[in-house]
Amino acid sequence: GDSVTQMEGPVTLSEEAFLTINCTYTATGYPSLFWYVQYPGEGLQLLLKATKADDKGSNKGFEATYRKETTSFHLEKGSVQVSDSAVYFCALTTYGNNRLAFGKGNQVVVIP
Amino acid sequence: DTGVSQNPRHKITKRGQNVTFRCDPISEHNRLYWYRQTLGQGPEFLTYFQNEAQLEKSRLLSDRFSAERPKGSFSTLEIQRTEQGDSAMYLCASSFGAGYTDTQYFGPGTRLTVL
Repeated sequence: GDSVTQMEGPVTLSEEAFLTINCTYTATGYPSLFWYVQYPGEGLQLLLKATKADDKGSNKGFEATYRKETTSFHLEKGSVQVSDSAVYFCALTTYGNNRLAFGKGNQVVVIP
Repeated sequence: DTGVSQNPRHKITKRGQNVTFRCDPISEHNRLYWYRQTLGQGPEFLTYFQNEAQLEKSRLLSDRFSAERPKGSFSTLEIQRTEQGDSAMYLCASSFGAGYTDTQYFGPGTRLTVL
């Protein structure tokens, strides 16, 4: 079946540091890939998405590139802020399968 | 556009009781989804409607769970004879379109605690 694997454990970093969260996937068909973010006390929000290989999704300084050859969709931001503290989820859907399959999420804590 | 709304936001019930949650999708969104999220995990798919038709159900959705979407607008999720293992955040999402690339917009969730 379809599945998403995110790196283990929370991520703690200082303000203005570089952030990378790894995401790899297994898909039965051709996937669309998503990053969702959950800020404290709020619902899931779409951060960015990419629907075909080599596409780059970007939003709010975050970027992720759909890499079919490595089945990856790693999230990056060059300079994080305290306001980026949240839980980040990688997810996918595949053709003919409308359900989102989510990874376990990564808690990101940015320290001033 | 007011976003996806869910009620109640919190529900505490005793084991064996029935509970019902409501989801109001974004206006004119034809698709509606239910997910369940437990602590430290990503959301897991439960069921999906296109307009009023329930097109897919996860094996996670036992016989105690039932969902409806009358008239293709709001949806309800009912859990009968609740168990402690049902304690979780229940999330609703909606989308517009017919493709698997469409963005799903999530509500704030209903947190269920079964005592």
